[in-house]
Amino acid sequence: NAGVTQTPKFQVLKTGQSMTLQCAQDMNHEYMSWYRQDPGMGLRLIHYSVGAGITDQGEVPNGYNVSRSTTEDFPLRLLSAAPSQTSVYFCAAGGLPRDEKLFFGSGTQLSVL
Amino acid sequence: AQTVTQSQPEMSVQEAETVTLSCTYDTSESDYYLFWYKQPPSRQMILVIRQEAYKQQNATENRFSVNFQKAAKSFSLKISDSQLGDAAMYFCAYRSAGDMRFGAGTRLTVKP
Repeated sequence: NAGVTQTPKFQVLKTGQSMTLQCAQDMNHEYMSWYRQDPGMGLRLIHYSVGAGITDQGEVPNGYNVSRSTTEDFPLRLLSAAPSQTSVYFCAAGGLPRDEKLFFGSGTQLSVL
Repeated sequence: AQTVTQSQPEMSVQEAETVTLSCTYDTSESDYYLFWYKQPPSRQMILVIRQEAYKQQNATENRFSVNFQKAAKSFSLKISDSQLGDAAMYFCAYRSAGDMRFGAGTRLTVKP
């Protein structure tokens, strides 16, 4: 039972490059979300989705795009990476309503030089 | 906007003793849920305990319990009989609809 799978685990980019962080879940959960974790700041919500075809912005959406074409996948796109986007990124999936436990991926360490 | 504040960046407890981690939050919503997550050095996020805002009874999970004061918007975590494996970062979190907010975290050290 894989749960939530994030790829890659580590990535180094140059400023201005683009890339996609992948997130896949095999639990058929409606809710999926992306967070970034910076030192001393906890996790901050970037974007979330409550079902296929539905996405919404979180606390820090600028510089990131998402789409949800299937229940299983929720990729996060960085169109033009900036050093300020250096962080650890987590994807999470869970059921609705909102008291449902969230299942987190193992995280992606992203460095933008 | 909803905010979650953890005022203790670091806490220390002796093995087998009890420790309380503090959390306050700010919201204008009436329907929401609160969580405590544990993050060990492995970086994995582990749910410790959760509380529905409409329930007055405090949640309990084995050695972990909360003191939920809705009017004061306070949600503290008590860890009883602390064990070495409890050492980790602890995050308080708030969820309403799709929005989820985390506090900055408290690093808990357990001394043998």
